[in-house]
Formats: sequence, structure tokens, C-alpha cells
Amino acid sequence: DAMVIQNPRYQVTQFGKPVTLSCSQTLNHNVMYWYQQKSSQAPKLLFHYYDKDFNNEADTPDNFQSRRPNTSFCFLDIRSPGLGDAAMYLCATSRDLAVSYLARDQPQHFGDGTRLSIL
Amino acid sequence: AQKVTQAQTEISVVEKEDVTLDCVYETRDTTYYLFWYKQPPSGELVFLIRRNSFDEQNEISGRYSWNFQKSTSSFNFTITASQVVDSAVYFCALSESSGTYKYIFGTGTRLKVLA
Repeated sequence: DAMVIQNPRYQVTQFGKPVTLSCSQTLNHNVMYWYQQKSSQAPKLLFHYYDKDFNNEADTPDNFQSRRPNTSFCFLDIRSPGLGDAAMYLCATSRDLAVSYLARDQPQHFGDGTRLSIL
Repeated sequence: AQKVTQAQTEISVVEKEDVTLDCVYETRDTTYYLFWYKQPPSGELVFLIRRNSFDEQNEISGRYSWNFQKSTSSFNFTITASQVVDSAVYFCALSESSGTYKYIFGTGTRLKVLA
């Protein structure tokens, strides 16, 4: 089945040790997103790619970076994880059908998430 | 300013009861889209429904139904004859035509269905 796949499902890293989370999709969607979700909170958008165009949210810390080498893959790099970065990280994709920026009606499809723990 | 409010933090019902999850939104756009997602304990967000601002028809899908009312800026979700498998956190989200691709999420409602 076409889907959004996140690896690993659980990741443990040490305080300050760089970590990379990966996301792949077989939906051929042109938009990919990374969200951070802490316990009992709504997902918080960190950034998104529209094709190769990177769009960072204003309040996303510099510690978080992303790469999208091709349509199918997107990576989240946390350069120096702190205890406050322990969270579920969700990858999502959507398909933008519009020529202009007027349509936002396509649902986002989410992966299962990676739960990150910091020791 | 755009905003989604899910006033019910947590709801507990007994299996087979009906339950309605409330969602109230604020937007200045005339064209916008509303979504409901389910997040079971395993963590993935599962898309349930999309509704655009021009379509006020209510929708029924099995035990699920949605009531969209522009006059009250609400998009409520009802589960009929709830089951234990319905236990999850449910998020309502808004997407505006004038904005970026950002979802404006509500804070979620945790539904517990007791056997």
C-alpha cells in the first residue's frame, strides 16, 4: 500500500549527540512536513518542503534542520538534542493540485511517527 | 486571527453510547477547509474527513457523522454506538486558502470508551 514510512519507530540519543530521523513516501506527493508533538499537545509544524523549496516556521529552533534529497525522502536532523526535544516527531505529505496558492484542501497523510528520547 | 477550539479535553463514555466531539473555528477567509484526524495510542494521525467552506452538507460514514454549521463556525463530530476501538485523541484542524500549508490544529479531545 502507498504510505508514509518513518524510521526508526523509537530513537534514543544522548544529550547533545546529533540524531537524524527519516521519512519516506510512496504517494508521490510534492509537499512534505515535519511536526513535533509533545505529550497531550497538538502537533506543531517545524517546517515543510514544497517540492525542493524549504519553508521554515518562524519559531523553529536553529537546532532543527531538514533535507529533502528527492521527492520520496525527507530527513529531520537535530544537531544538538536537548532534554526539551524529547517528543514524537511526525512526518506528513500532501499533494498540492493548485497552480496558485489558493487551494489547501488536500488532506495531509501522516506516518506512524518516531518517538525520540534523550538521555 | 485563525483559531480552532476543542473545548472538551477528555470525554469518557460507556461502550454503545453516542458521543459528540465539538470543534469551533475562527477564520477571516471565505474559503477554508476543515479536517478531523484520529490519533490512537500507537501515535499515527489518521485522516477521517475533509470539508470545504462551501459545502455545508452533513456527512455520515458508518458510525461517524459530521455536522458543519457556518453560522456557528462549528464542525462537530459524532460517533454513534461507540466502541472501545474508538478510544483515541481526536484533532480538528483548519486550513485557510490565504495561508501557507499550515494546519491550525485544535488542542484535541481524548475519548475513552469503556467496555
